[in-house]
Amino acid sequence: GENVEQHPSTLSVQEGDSAVIKCTYSDSASNYFPWYKQELGKGPQLIIDIRSNVGEKKDQRIAVTLNKTAKHFSLHITETQPEDSAVYFCAASVYGNNRLAFGKGNQVVVIP
Amino acid sequence: GAVVSQHPSRVICKSGTSVKIECRSLDFQATTMFWYRQFPKQSLMLMATSNEGSKATYEQGVEKDKFLINHASLTLSTLTVTSAHPEDSSFYICSARLQTYEQYFGPGTRLTVT
Repeated sequence: GENVEQHPSTLSVQEGDSAVIKCTYSDSASNYFPWYKQELGKGPQLIIDIRSNVGEKKDQRIAVTLNKTAKHFSLHITETQPEDSAVYFCAASVYGNNRLAFGKGNQVVVIP
Repeated sequence: GAVVSQHPSRVICKSGTSVKIECRSLDFQATTMFWYRQFPKQSLMLMATSNEGSKATYEQGVEKDKFLINHASLTLSTLTVTSAHPEDSSFYICSARLQTYEQYFGPGTRLTVT
């Protein structure tokens, strides 16, 4: 099955700086890659996703890039703010398949 | 984005009793919903896939007789933890899938079994 690895496990950044989280996946058939933000005690929130027919997608301060050849995708958060502090999970699946394979999560801490 | 609700948000029950958790898609119909379990500081563990009008598909190692899932309508799935024990204490989260395949998660239910 699909195996998703996420690095680094913890990331601390100064407010206003950028944060980048990278994930790698193993199954070349995977073609759907969502990112979720989870705040303490809450359910994960879908913040952005990308399908394999594009290499980059942006939504205001967040962007996701995909490198199908290398089988990795990254989340970029620019101009970080304290409210960006959370655990971020990447996931991968074959589009149309039910199962999402999740990474282990990345704790992002934005230092004011 | 699509909205998914869960009820209750927190529940405390005594060992040996059963607890039912509801998951609702509020502004869309979901033929497929999912139930996850999450331990502190860990990732999401898929327990089962719930399909409207049919039996749930359980992941390996998940006891289907202990975790009863019912997907009675296109907007409601329920998870019943039967004969709960302290080791069942956890954060249970459901998600619902759009026809375009995005999954949206509920806010989670914190179950504590005493």
